[in-house]
Amino acid sequence: AQTVTQSQPEMSVQEAETVTLSCTYDTSESDYYLFWYKQPPSRQMILVIRQEAYKQQNATENRFSVNFQKAAKSFSLKISDSQLGDAAMYFCAYRYNNNDMRFGAGTRLTVKP
Amino acid sequence: GAVVSQHPSWVICKSGTSVKIECRSLDFQATTMFWYRQFPKQSLMLMATSNEGSKATYEQGVEKDKFLINHASLTLSTLTVTSAHPEDSSFYICSAGDRLATYNEQFFGPGTRLTVL
Repeated sequence: AQTVTQSQPEMSVQEAETVTLSCTYDTSESDYYLFWYKQPPSRQMILVIRQEAYKQQNATENRFSVNFQKAAKSFSLKISDSQLGDAAMYFCAYRYNNNDMRFGAGTRLTVKP
Repeated sequence: GAVVSQHPSWVICKSGTSVKIECRSLDFQATTMFWYRQFPKQSLMLMATSNEGSKATYEQGVEKDKFLINHASLTLSTLTVTSAHPEDSSFYICSAGDRLATYNEQFFGPGTRLTVL
């Protein structure tokens, strides 16, 4: 079974600084998708960034980038120039083919002004 | 991007009653929808996979007679919580897969907060 582990229940960052959220996963598949989702207090799941496992290049979306280490099964999220609006729960997720998402336990990010 | 709606957004019911939650894909056809449950300060846990025109597949430990899922059309899946009890109080989120979208994208609904008194 696929599992996703987020070992940081809470993280804090100063506004305008950079923070990295960690995620590891376990799978026997070679082709899959990895995601980072943001869940603000409204609880709407917002896709932050996506990585296809067959792509070696790390995905980037503006201030958000990932460090994808396939052999190590590691998928960390780096948020640069942190903003107050980045404060939320962040979930790492794994998906194989068209199947469901498997989520990590989440990391609560606090941004200090 | 594609939109998934859920109705109602918040429901309060008495113990022993049944509650129906709707999940709709508004601008795409979803052959597969997923139902998740999220308890406070916890992650999303898959309850079941709903396939249009066939029976839902439930995760281990989820009572299929208690959580009835119907996916009667390509744009609508419903979750009915039967004989609800306070322990069923939770946040229920659906997602819908758009096979025509890049990466077979899945889109999440805004969720339904269920409170059972």
